[in-house]
Formats: sequence, structure tokens, C-alpha cells
Amino acid sequence: EDQVTQSPEALRLQEGESSSLNCSYTVSGLRGLFWYRQDPGKGPEFLFTLYSAGEEKEKERLKATLTKKESFLHITAPKPEDSATYLCAVQVSNDYKLSFGAGTTVTVRA
Amino acid sequence: KAGVTQTPRYLIKTRGQQVTLSCSPISGHRSVSWYQQTPGQGLQFLFEYFSETQRNKGNFPGRFSGRQFSNSRSEMNVSTLELGDSALYLCASSLATRQETQYFGPGTRLLVL
Repeated sequence: EDQVTQSPEALRLQEGESSSLNCSYTVSGLRGLFWYRQDPGKGPEFLFTLYSAGEEKEKERLKATLTKKESFLHITAPKPEDSATYLCAVQVSNDYKLSFGAGTTVTVRA
Repeated sequence: KAGVTQTPRYLIKTRGQQVTLSCSPISGHRSVSWYQQTPGQGLQFLFEYFSETQRNKGNFPGRFSGRQFSNSRSEMNVSTLELGDSALYLCASSLATRQETQYFGPGTRLLVL
């Protein structure tokens, strides 16, 4: 069975204090790995899709990387508006669903 | 481009009732997926529709059902509601190629009393 594990569960950062979130996965035939951001009471907002090991994508203060076993979401010099729950999901071959991790809740203090 | 829309946004029902939730995908998107989100179980896949056909189904009881219309709009139905069905129900749409990103709507918050 596909498994997606995110760590840590929660992360408290000072504004400007860079950090990384981890998403490890055990799947057969990864088709894509997705990062979403979710604010309380809202639907997940798409951030990145990664397809193959070694791939990297950046958006503002966020950078996502992918290896054969895990993905990292790096937050550089975070601001309070980066506070959210970050969700990782995988999609495997011959399947349309996304399997999600439990998420990492990031709180950035000013 | 308008995003995924879901109606209603909030719903309160009592045990034993049934409920129908609606989802309108992003224009041009032909695949619609439904997910249930709870604090204990996180985001779990319910089912996915493409061209009015269910292509994939998650591990939920038969009380959960859905359908898709010719304009790609989708509905999901939950019959004989239980307290444990209280959750945020999320709809996501995509272009339906197998590597395509799914874009989520704001969700419908269902409370079962």
C-alpha cells in the first residue's frame, strides 16, 4: 500500500528563519509528487508538481526537491503569511487518485 | 479563469438524512475527484470521474456515491448520514491526462448532528 509520511508534524519558525519540511514516500511506480498549501477552512492550494528524482522547482520563498525516496520543501526567510499547513501527495502509475500525507503545520512568528 | 466551485459551502444535517454536494470544475477540465478531510484521517480519496464514468473509487462504504454530468459538473451523495461523516468534502478538477495537477475547490463543510 502506498505510504506518504510528512515530518515534522508542526514547525514554529521566527520570521526569517529558514527551514525544511520532509515528505517520504513508499510507492510502486511514482507518477508525480505534489505539494499543496492549505489555510484553515480552505481547500488546498497547488504549489508544485515534481515528476522525477533530481527535479527542483521554486516559487518565491519556497523550493521543492525530489529524490527517489523523499521530497523536501525548503522555506527560505519565511514571513508570517507563509503560515499554513503544507501537504504532500503522490500519484502512482495507472491510478488517478492522490494519496496525501498528514501535513506539516508551519507557524511563522513576526 | 474561474476556479473550482463547490456548493453549498456549509451544511448541517442530522443522522439518517442524506445529502448532495455539488462541484463545478475549472472550465476545460474533464476529470473531477472527491476527497474527504477529517482531523483524524486527513485527506482521503473518495472517487474520480471522467466523461461521466467513475474511473477510480476509494475505500468508502456504498453510502457514498457520485456522478458526473456531460458538462463535467459533478455531484456526490451521502445517504443515511452518520456522525462520523462530519468532514470537509473537497472536490478537485484536472485536465485528465495522467500527470495533470489537480486543483481543489474551497470545500463543503458538513456537520452531522
